[in-house]
Amino acid sequence: EAQVTQNPRYLITVTGKKLTVTCSQNMNHEYMSWYRQDPGLGLRQIYYSMNVEVTDKGDVPEGYKVSRKEKRNFPLILESPSPNQTSLYFCASGSDRVNSPLHFGNGTRLTVT
Amino acid sequence: DQQVKQNSPSLSVQEGRISILNCDYTNSMFDYFLWYKKYPAEGPTFLISISSIKDKNEDGRFTVFLNKSAKHLSLHIVPSQPGDSAVYFCAALSGGSYIPTFGRGTSLIVHP
Repeated sequence: EAQVTQNPRYLITVTGKKLTVTCSQNMNHEYMSWYRQDPGLGLRQIYYSMNVEVTDKGDVPEGYKVSRKEKRNFPLILESPSPNQTSLYFCASGSDRVNSPLHFGNGTRLTVT
Repeated sequence: DQQVKQNSPSLSVQEGRISILNCDYTNSMFDYFLWYKKYPAEGPTFLISISSIKDKNEDGRFTVFLNKSAKHLSLHIVPSQPGDSAVYFCAALSGGSYIPTFGRGTSLIVHP
């Protein structure tokens, strides 16, 4: 089954404790991206990657890092999480076909206290 | 500045009636538009799309209309069902880009 898998689904942590949210896709997609969803603000892009070893900032990259060492994986790293990073995070992937829709994971609910 | 706007944060409709979700955009370079549907505790899923060379695309109960001169698109759901209750995101692409610009979403509630 074609899917984007994020882990964990729920995460509660404390300020400053480094964490990683993993994302993996099995569709051989070139494009991967991270979004955060906050009430009233919709989906905001954090980082994206057009291919292996190619990453770029989205609209709200501050406080986040990503890496794309393999095509299927695109982890999101919070080196020193802060309470304003409490949010719902989605990973997405897409093919290189023009106008192809994105496939999203089921989300990671992060709470930073 | 929002390039894709969904001005209604929420919409409530009776089962069996028509739901109309609206989306406006400002960037005239956008040439492809998509609607995604999101249930609680799940990620958004693709619903329907339309190219700027068309003014209508239909898929079962879902129809998207595009008015390029007004930079406006709408999603019609007829008839609405309680299972359609979800958040709907409008998204736009330009020039074959991979990176969609999303609206902030409209929460649709369909009452039995």
